[in-house]
Amino acid sequence: QQPVQSPQAVILREGEDAVINCSSSKALYSVHWYRQKHGEAPVFLMILLKGGEQMRHEKISASFNEKKQQSSLYLTASQLSYSGTYFCGTEPSGTYKYIFGTGTRLKVLA
Amino acid sequence: DAGVIQSPRHEVTEMGQEVTLRCKPISGHNSLFWYRQTMMRGLELLIYFNNNVPIDDSGMPEDRFSAKMPNASFSTLKIQPSEPRDSAVYFCASSFTGYNEQFFGPGTRLTVL
Repeated sequence: QQPVQSPQAVILREGEDAVINCSSSKALYSVHWYRQKHGEAPVFLMILLKGGEQMRHEKISASFNEKKQQSSLYLTASQLSYSGTYFCGTEPSGTYKYIFGTGTRLKVLA
Repeated sequence: DAGVIQSPRHEVTEMGQEVTLRCKPISGHNSLFWYRQTMMRGLELLIYFNNNVPIDDSGMPEDRFSAKMPNASFSTLKIQPSEPRDSAVYFCASSFTGYNEQFFGPGTRLTVL
């Protein structure tokens, strides 16, 4: 039931772009995206709702394909501060129960 | 606002001892979540409260774990008796509603020897 994220890890140079995918085996109502830095708590980035629009957070955007039960996170012109582990949290319809994905470790190098 | 407050930040205990983790959610939030994070299993939802009422505790691993929310500003997660496999970081998070962004506390790092 845990959503699968890909890739598991990615290394970028500053200014490069990256895409992180999140796939669920269940029909979804909403998807949350969080970033967690080492030794810290997860921090909310954005939420995507079924039937909603693509969201943005600074130079990070995300999309939600309800039919494919997938969400993707797009990091544009990456900055050093983007380094961390990204988690998607998927919610099967109407449950409020978020199941977090396997995580994607992202490292941005100068 | 001070954010979600958790205590203690670190807990080291011996197998068989009772452990109580505490959480103070953000004032005005009516949803509270307890999570456990380990390298092997990632971030797992243990229990979810809405308006102080437990809505879903299907993630609670076994009867050794219990959680309470006696009022809107306080929740506890208790492990009795604790076992080494309970070692993890335990996060408490709160949100305005079940769908809104969740604000995570700093976590409690539990080590059971």
